This record gives sequence, structure tokens and C-alpha cells, in this order.
Amino acid sequence: QVQLQESGPGLLKPSQTLSLTCTVSGGSISSGRHYWSWIRQPAGKGLEWIGHIYSSGTTNYNPSLKSRVTVSLDTSKNQFSLKLSSVTAADTAVYYCARGTRNDYGDTFWDYWGQGTLVTVSS
Amino acid sequence: DIQMTQSPSSLSASVGDRVTITCRASQNIGNYLNWYQQKPGRAPNLLIYAASSLQSGVPSKFSGRGSGTDFNLTINSLQPEDFAAYFCQQTYSSPYTFGQGTNLEI
Repeated sequence: QVQLQESGPGLLKPSQTLSLTCTVSGGSISSGRHYWSWIRQPAGKGLEWIGHIYSSGTTNYNPSLKSRVTVSLDTSKNQFSLKLSSVTAADTAVYYCARGTRNDYGDTFWDYWGQGTLVTVSS
Repeated sequence: DIQMTQSPSSLSASVGDRVTITCRASQNIGNYLNWYQQKPGRAPNLLIYAASSLQSGVPSKFSGRGSGTDFNLTINSLQPEDFAAYFCQQTYSSPYTFGQGTNLEI
């Protein structure tokens, strides 16, 4: 059973860089047709896909955040990470790491999620 | 970006009812549509992918239909554990956008 767990600071000041790590267990981030993803959700609101990285290292980011986002892999630790620079209060949200999967038919879906971590941006 | 619009935003129902939630895409997305359930304080859980395929382990009381721009999620015989938020998501093109959610309330 694949499990994902987010970790990182929960409180940031405006203009700082958000850094989160997702530790994956029960499967290797180096194998398969998976998208190692970050998705966020402001309190009481909907979900926003931030971006993802393939096991090959290729990345895909939401254009609305692309100038500030970096997702990277650490295969030696079976982890992937999110960096979001120049944060503001609008970046306050629960951040989820998740595994996206593309099956043999080309269907894409997010089948495993971490429990989520709340990041608050406040001066 | 493809806009996903769900209706209704909230829905009241009773145990044993059958309910249908609608999701409309701003352009043709084929069958590239997923449905998730989210309970308070929990991560979303995949229910349906490719518009109508039931994710492994998800009860058959959940079903999805549609293609193009209009999609439905139907839940039969509501049980207390089904009262949650439901989100659709398009995977036709990046950025992979979600609907705003439907809160299913007792």
C-alpha cells in the first residue's frame, strides 16, 4: 500500500519561500508511470493543482504559479519536494502531495494522497 | 484554462436517497473526468476516473456518466458515511482543474 506524508514548516512570513517534502512509502518514486504531485486547498474552498514531476524528472506546473514553483525528486530518499517562493497570504492553504497515475488507456487520476499539511502565511 | 462548474453547490438529502451531482466543462474534454470524495479534515479520495470507471475498492453505489462537456455522479442508497464534499476534475489538459465542489448534507 502506497503512503505519502507531507512535512515542513506550518507558518511563514510574507515573501518567504515555502518548502515542503513528501515522503513516499510502499512504492518507489523512480518506477512506473506516475506523476508526483502537489495540490492545495484554501480553507473552505476548492482544490488547485500546483504541479508535478515525473519519475524521469520532467516537470509540469500550473501557469498561474509557474514563476514561483519548483518541484524536485530525491530518489535516494524516495521523496519529492515543493518550493514556492515569495509567498503571500493568498498562499495560505492545506497542501497535499499526491500520486498521479496514467493507466494503459491513457486515463490520468490521482489515486494516493498524503493527509495534507496546513501552511499559514502571516506577518 | 478549462473551467469546471459543479451543481448544485450544496445538496440536502436523507439516508436511503439517491442523488446526482452535475459537472460541466467549459470545453469538450472527452471522458477525461475524475470524481473525488472529501470528508472534513481528510484528503480527497478517488471514486471515479475516465468519467465512468469505478476506482478499485469503491462501492458500486457510486457511478459516473457523461462525455464531452456534461458529466454526472450518482450515489445510490445514501448512507451516513456518504455525506461529504464531492469534486470533479478534468485531466484533458494542463492545468488540471477541479470543480468548486458539492457539499452533500444530511
